Amino acid sequence: DAGVIQSPRHEVTEMGQEVTLRCKPISGHNSLFWYRQTMMRGLELLIYFNNNVPIDDSGMPEDRFSAKMPNASFSTLKIQPSEPRDSAVYFCASSTAGVRNSPLHFGNGTRLTVT
Amino acid sequence: DAKTTQPNSMESNEEEPVHLPCNHSTISGTDYIHWYRQLPSQGPEYVIHGLTSNVNNRMASLAIAEDRKSSTLILHRATLRDAAVYYCILRDVGSGGSNYKLTFGKGTLLTVNP
Repeated sequence: DAGVIQSPRHEVTEMGQEVTLRCKPISGHNSLFWYRQTMMRGLELLIYFNNNVPIDDSGMPEDRFSAKMPNASFSTLKIQPSEPRDSAVYFCASSTAGVRNSPLHFGNGTRLTVT
Repeated sequence: DAKTTQPNSMESNEEEPVHLPCNHSTISGTDYIHWYRQLPSQGPEYVIHGLTSNVNNRMASLAIAEDRKSSTLILHRATLRDAAVYYCILRDVGSGGSNYKLTFGKGTLLTVNP
C-alpha cells in the first residue's frame, strides 16, 4: 500500500500564476479530502468528495480555488491566480465512505510558496 | 462541530507514560472521540477512537470519562518518535450519509526529552 500520494512536494511560484496540486488516494477509498495548513489558521478543511462528487466545499476560500475529481484515483486542487497569502502546506487525505469512523489517511503534503 | 479543549503543550521524558487530556463538555450522543497526531513535516496520522468504553491499540490507549465530557490519550512509554502535535477531535457519525469530515483544532504539542 503506497498510501496517499501528493505531487509536487514543493512548489514555488510567482503571484498571479496558476498552481495545480495533485493527489492520488489509496486504492479502494471513495472519500477524498483537501486540507490547508498554516501557522495562523492551523489545519482547515477546504473540500471533500464522496464517490467523486463534491459534498462540502464551504471551506474553499474564494473563486480562485477549484477542485476536481475526474475519477476515483485522481484529484486536483487548482489556484488561479495565486497570491502570496495562499502560501501554505496543502494536504490530501482519503478514507472509506460508508464505513463508520473510517480513519483518514493523509499524504505528506505539498508545500506551496507564492512570492 | 462540537469543540474540544486541549493544553497547548506538554513535556515528557523518554520511556515514561504520557497522559494527554482533552475536554469536550458539549459532546453529543453521536460524537465519537478521535485522536490524530502530526509528526514534524508529515501529514496527520490516525491514532485511536472511541465512543464510551476505554480503547486500546498498538499505538495508545484512550480513557473516556463516564460522562464523556473528557478523555485522555495514554502513551504507555513515550519515545522520541512520539514527539508530535496531538489532536483530539469529535466526529459526528449520527448525521448519517456523508458527514465524515474531521475538524482539527490547535492540538497539544508533545515534547519528549531523552
